[in-house]
Amino acid sequence: GIQVEQSPPDLILQEGANSTLRCNFSDSVNNLQWFHQNPWGQLINLFYIPSGTKQNGRLSATTVATERYSLLYISSSQTTDSGVYFCAVDPNTGNQFYFGTGTSLTVIP
Amino acid sequence: GAVVSQHPSRVICKSGTSVKIECRSLDFQATTMFWYRQFPKKSLMLMATSNEGSKATYEQGVEKDKFLINHASLTLSTLTVTSAHPEDSSFYICSARPPALAGGYYNEQFFGPGTRLTVL
Repeated sequence: GIQVEQSPPDLILQEGANSTLRCNFSDSVNNLQWFHQNPWGQLINLFYIPSGTKQNGRLSATTVATERYSLLYISSSQTTDSGVYFCAVDPNTGNQFYFGTGTSLTVIP
Repeated sequence: GAVVSQHPSRVICKSGTSVKIECRSLDFQATTMFWYRQFPKKSLMLMATSNEGSKATYEQGVEKDKFLINHASLTLSTLTVTSAHPEDSSFYICSARPPALAGGYYNEQFFGPGTRLTVL
């Protein structure tokens, strides 16, 4: 099956700093999404981005499908950005998502 | 729009009992829903695909007799953990996808808030 690796696994930032999270996948994909899992476990949709670049406030994401990776940029981080960030990919058209290994982000004041 | 709910949010049960978890799409119809399992500090693992009106499709290694899935309607899928044991304790999450281009969403999946199961 498809392998989805995220890096770094853990990240500690000072409030206000910028960061880049990476998602590598081993096969071509039809869909890719980024999520933020809050401390209560809820997955919050950040981006639906099978290719190209999108921006939403302090967050932006880029997927280079031909090179099988996606990047999530967080600028001017805030303590509320803390949590685990997952990318998930659908290698087919069946909408079955396979999740990456996750990046645990801690933003300290 | 595109809200998925789960019930209960938390359940504690005794070993040997069965537990039913409901997943509902609140503002759209979903012919397909998905069930995931997450262990502490781990990623989500796809368990099965729930198909309205037909049998669920299980991922390799998932016991279909242990985890019964019923997709009773276009807005409801249920996961029943039968004869639960402590090793079934986990965080269970469902997801669904609104119809293509409905409400501006296309192929984007939305997840429920999860159900934390503890088996004593």
